[in-house]
Amino acid sequence: NAGVTQTPKFRVLKTGQSMTLLCAQDMNHEYMYWYRQDPGMGLRLIHYSVGEGTTAKGEVPDGYNVSRLKKQNFLLGLESAAPSQTSVYFCASSYRGQGLRGYTFGSGTRLTVV
Amino acid sequence: GQQLNQSPQSMFIQEGEDVSMNCTSSSIFNTWLWYKQDPGEGPVLLIALYKAGELTSNGRLTAQFGITRKDSFLNISASIPSDVGIYFCAVLNYGGSQGNLIFGKGTKLSVKP
Repeated sequence: NAGVTQTPKFRVLKTGQSMTLLCAQDMNHEYMYWYRQDPGMGLRLIHYSVGEGTTAKGEVPDGYNVSRLKKQNFLLGLESAAPSQTSVYFCASSYRGQGLRGYTFGSGTRLTVV
Repeated sequence: GQQLNQSPQSMFIQEGEDVSMNCTSSSIFNTWLWYKQDPGEGPVLLIALYKAGELTSNGRLTAQFGITRKDSFLNISASIPSDVGIYFCAVLNYGGSQGNLIFGKGTKLSVKP
């Protein structure tokens, strides 16, 4: 039982390049989330999904797109990377409903945009 | 957006000392959570609080959900070197989102052996 797995763990991009971060969970969670963490800050929500085929914007969605074609996977895309997107990205998943039962984070993807 | 005010920002303590940190909000939230983050890892849930006034322990950790539902504190007793890390408070945000968390900015804990 791996929990939440993020790939890759590290990546360096040049400004303007694109990439996709993959999140996979094996806990049959309905909800999945993408957060970013910047130095001295807590995590901020980028996008989230409450089920297969549905996504919604969070607090800081600009410059990112997401897709959830399968229940266990949640992809975060950067179409044209900018230095301001240098950050550590965390995926999380949870069961539906109150209390956030089972809310679990992955170990993060450290992205540097030069 | 909503904000959580977490204090202190950092703490340097001696091994064996007790630690206290707190988190406040201008809005009411019905679920408060405390996470710990080790370097290079994602946050790990320490304690979840679901009822105003609730006091919950997890080993040497104790957390309380404020009666006004606008604050919470976390205490660590008899600190040890492995307590080092960043502690975050978080609340469950239902307004306009489903199941996402709002995080405080964290308290960085350093423990001197």
